[in-house]
Amino acid sequence: TQLLEQSPQFLSIQEGENLTVYCNSSSVFSSLQWYRQEPGEGPVLLVTVVTGGEVKKLKRLTFQFGDARKDSSLHITAAQPGDTGLYLCENGGSQGNLIFGKGTKLSVKP
Amino acid sequence: NAGVTQTPKFQVLKTGQSMTLQCAQDMNHNSMYWYRQDPGMGLRLIYYSASEGTTDKGEVPNGYNVSRLNKREFSLRLESAAPSQTSVYFCASSRDSSSYEQYFGPGTRLTVT
Repeated sequence: TQLLEQSPQFLSIQEGENLTVYCNSSSVFSSLQWYRQEPGEGPVLLVTVVTGGEVKKLKRLTFQFGDARKDSSLHITAAQPGDTGLYLCENGGSQGNLIFGKGTKLSVKP
Repeated sequence: NAGVTQTPKFQVLKTGQSMTLQCAQDMNHNSMYWYRQDPGMGLRLIYYSASEGTTDKGEVPNGYNVSRLNKREFSLRLESAAPSQTSVYFCASSRDSSSYEQYFGPGTRLTVT
């Protein structure tokens, strides 16, 4: 069974700081999805990465997929309070084998 | 366009009671999913339906049943609730079985006493 490890588990920073969170797998990803979940709501898809070495940008968020497709990172530049939430990664395996990481809980203080 | 809707939003049950969680999507998606989210455990797949008329077990199916009523609706039933089923339940949908991108509902917070 594929395992997804996310780090750090918690992160508390000041507005304007930069940060990086990580998602590592015990095996190769078919694809990888990043979601953000705000308190009391369902996860919202941010991005899908498929190709090893792929980099995608979404405003101040930069997503990178490792060359070997076993790891990914999410970098946020100049974090804002609106970035607060739980960041989840998920493998893109077969439908019966969809695995989520436990998430990184980010708090951005004004 | 509401996306994925879930009812109820909150529910308290006593051990042994039964209930059905309802989910509907208006995006004309073929695939639908039920997850539970527990502190420290992340999201875990309970059941999924690749297309109308099919359902399959996920990682944690014990104690649950599902029904894909039509293309829009996918319900989750707890026949005899147990305290271990206290959790937040999310329904999700995707375009089809080859699409990795899931769209989630707002969740149902269930407490079993």
